[in-house]
Amino acid sequence: AQTVTQSQPEMSVQEAETVTLSCTYDTSENNYYLFWYKQPPSRQMILVIRQEAYKQQNATENRFSVNFQKAAKSFSLKISDSQLGDTAMYFCAFMSPNNAGNMLTFGGGTRLMVKP
Amino acid sequence: EAGVAQSPRYKIIEKRQSVAFWCNPISGHATLYWYQQILGQGPKLLIQFQNNGVVDDSQLPKDRFSAERLKGVDSTLKIQPAKLEDSAVYLCASPNVLGGLSTEAFFGQGTRLTVV
Repeated sequence: AQTVTQSQPEMSVQEAETVTLSCTYDTSENNYYLFWYKQPPSRQMILVIRQEAYKQQNATENRFSVNFQKAAKSFSLKISDSQLGDTAMYFCAFMSPNNAGNMLTFGGGTRLMVKP
Repeated sequence: EAGVAQSPRYKIIEKRQSVAFWCNPISGHATLYWYQQILGQGPKLLIQFQNNGVVDDSQLPKDRFSAERLKGVDSTLKIQPAKLEDSAVYLCASPNVLGGLSTEAFFGQGTRLTVV
């Protein structure tokens, strides 16, 4: 079974600064996807960024980028120029094929507070 | 495209009562997940459907929880009888599949259940 670990329950950052959220995972699979989801108080899970395991190049989406270290099974999220609207819970997630579909497993989350 | 629809948004019941949640995934998405998210934690998979068949229900407390997806589209999740520890947000998700591997899971807004 796959596991996803987020070791930072809470983090805070000043507006306009940069913050990095950590995630590690454990799997024996070679083909998989990794995701960072944002969950604001409205509870809607919003995809922030995804990374295909077969791609060595780190994914980037505007102010969000990842540092994907496949050998170390590490997948951190960097948020640059933090904005007040980035305040939310952030979940790292792992998806791999299973018997008849794709299993999606989440970490425990990191609560990010962006301070003005 | 329309998103994942869930109802109701909120539900308050007394312990030992029964409750049902409904989910309508994105049209054409064969896979459907139900997750339980206890406050302050990451979502935990309860059950995964592929069309109208169950792929994984190993984490579903089958003595009180049941789920069905009779026509491979809408799904219902039922709890009978409810316990205090069932208080949580219940999330439904359906992934987009490309080449056999999901590229993104789309989530509904969830149902917040409070058991008193």
